[in-house]
Amino acid sequence: EAEVAQSPRYKITEKSQAVAFWCDPISGHATLYWYRQILGQGPELLVQFQDESVVDDSQLPKDRFSAERLKGVDSTLKIQPAELGDSAMYLCASTGNTGELFFGEGSRLTVL
Amino acid sequence: AQSVTQLGSHVSVSEGALVLLRCNYSSSVPPYLFWYVQYPNQGLQLLLKYTSAATLVKGINGFEAEFKKSETSFHLTKPSAHMSDAAEYFCAARRGGKLIFGQGTELSVKP
Repeated sequence: EAEVAQSPRYKITEKSQAVAFWCDPISGHATLYWYRQILGQGPELLVQFQDESVVDDSQLPKDRFSAERLKGVDSTLKIQPAELGDSAMYLCASTGNTGELFFGEGSRLTVL
Repeated sequence: AQSVTQLGSHVSVSEGALVLLRCNYSSSVPPYLFWYVQYPNQGLQLLLKYTSAATLVKGINGFEAEFKKSETSFHLTKPSAHMSDAAEYFCAARRGGKLIFGQGTELSVKP
């Protein structure tokens, strides 16, 4: 069964360091999402891509976060510099023609 | 703006008892509605979805949800809880291409 792949699963870093997360969506899925989920809360959308174009990044803290999907397939989310408040689960999801979102296992970030 | 409210951040039931997790949405136009389940340190798995075809929606693992427009609700139920149902449950609404989640309800199942 096709899955959304994410790496790394776990990342521990010190504040002010740079960190990057990678996502490979289900093959053929044009829409890709990055969500942030703080412990005890629901996921919040950071950025949405349609192919290689950003559709919605209104909630992305652009002073330190960046996201790209250069070839319209896999995507990278970067944080530089990381802050204590960035500790969270970063979830990637993709969707095809059905509109159903398929989520990856997530990347859990701990900033010390 | 679209919002989703889950009543009760934590629900505890005994094994074999009815599970009821509450979700209300705010919208004048009913959105597509979803319930997801999340096990510790894992991603979200779709339980069921409402897309206006039928008000009673059956999902996986014996869960179902009923869409009630008059109450703007989409509560999740399961007749008999199992230990393996212990997890975090999220209600979500979709308008356009964006999925908006509620705060989540943690379900505990006691033996």
